[in-house]
Formats: sequence, C-alpha cells, structure tokens
Amino acid sequence: NAGVTQTPKFRILKIGQSMTLQCTQDMNHNYMYWYRQDPGMGLKLIYYSVGAGITDKGEVPNGYNVSRSTTEDFPLRLELAAPSQTSVYFCASSPGQGASNQPQHFGDGTRLSIL
Amino acid sequence: KNQVEQSPQSLIILEGKNCTLQCNYTVSPFSNLRWYKQDTGRGPVSLTIMTFSENTKSNGRYTATLDADTKQSSLHITASQLSDSASYICVAAKAQAGTALIFGKGTTLSVSS
Repeated sequence: NAGVTQTPKFRILKIGQSMTLQCTQDMNHNYMYWYRQDPGMGLKLIYYSVGAGITDKGEVPNGYNVSRSTTEDFPLRLELAAPSQTSVYFCASSPGQGASNQPQHFGDGTRLSIL
Repeated sequence: KNQVEQSPQSLIILEGKNCTLQCNYTVSPFSNLRWYKQDTGRGPVSLTIMTFSENTKSNGRYTATLDADTKQSSLHITASQLSDSASYICVAAKAQAGTALIFGKGTTLSVSS
C-alpha cells in the first residue's frame, strides 16, 4: 500500500519560474491537504480539498494554486517562484475532516529551493 | 489566539531511559489532540489521537495523556531506542467544519547509545 506519494523529492527553481508539485493517494480519502514546513516552525496549511472539484484556502495560500479533478490527485502549482517559497512541502490525506478522530496520512515531502 | 506550545525544544537521552515531552494548547473550540512522530527527511506519522473525554492513550512504548481542563498533554516514551530519535509534533484540532489543525513546532529527541 503506497499511501501518499509526492513527486519530485527535491527541486531547485530560479526566481520567477513555475512548477507543479504532484501528490497522489491510493486510500480513497476524500480530504487532502498541502502544508509547508519551514525550519523550526510548525506546519502551515496552504490549501485543502474536501473532495473532487472542491478546494479551499488554508492559512498561507498566496503564491499557490491547486486543483482536484480526481479523488486520488491533488497537485500544487507555484507561479512566479519567490525565495520566500523555499520550504519543505507536505501533502496529506484523511478519510474525515480535522475535527474527526481520524489521522492524516502524510507523504515524505518535496524539498524546494528557490534561488 | 489558537496556538500549540511544546517543551523542551530538544532533548538528549541515553538508550533505555524514559522521557516525557510536554504540550500546552490554546485552541477553542477543542476537538482532539494528536501526537505525530517525524523522522528526519520523512513525513509525520500519527502516534495517538485523543478526544477531550480521553485521559490517556497508548501505542506500544508511547503513552499520551490529556488534561482538557488545563489544556495540557504529554507524550511519555518508555525504554527508549535509537529509532526513537525524531521530532515529535503535538497537534490540536478545532471543532469546526473543514480542517483546522494547529501544529506545534515539535520537540527534537536524540537517543544515544
């Protein structure tokens, strides 16, 4: 069982470039999330989705976009990359929302550097 | 302000020893409290989830406690192993629609032989 798979694992971008971080899950979870983790800080929610075709902003959405065309996939798009977007990005999924007693399952992250 | 504070920031212990990590939260309305383990270079993995009505929950050598009145939680690790070296993250969930998880900054535990 693969769980949550993120690609790529590492990436270096130049300022102003764009890229898409891929995330797919094989657990048929309705809820999916994108977080960023900066050194010494707690995870911050960028965007989340409660099902195919439905997305919503989290705490730090500026500079990012998402789409959810299928239950399995939840890509994160960076437009016009900026140094402040240097971070580790985690995708997660869960069968229920945060208030439910169900854990989120995380991928192993994409380490992104903007130079 | 919704926030989760963890202490200590880092901890070094000898293999075989026990340790306790602390978490204080100010999240309202409160739904549940989670502990995650994050190995270096990996994503967080769930250890325990406790609702406001639960006082303790165990997962192998990991035992979490929750005092919803004082808004405090702890994670006790018994007979530590080298593989316990990781960051331990406390997360408080708000009781609301959508998603509202407040993450602590984590406690970095190093177990040495």
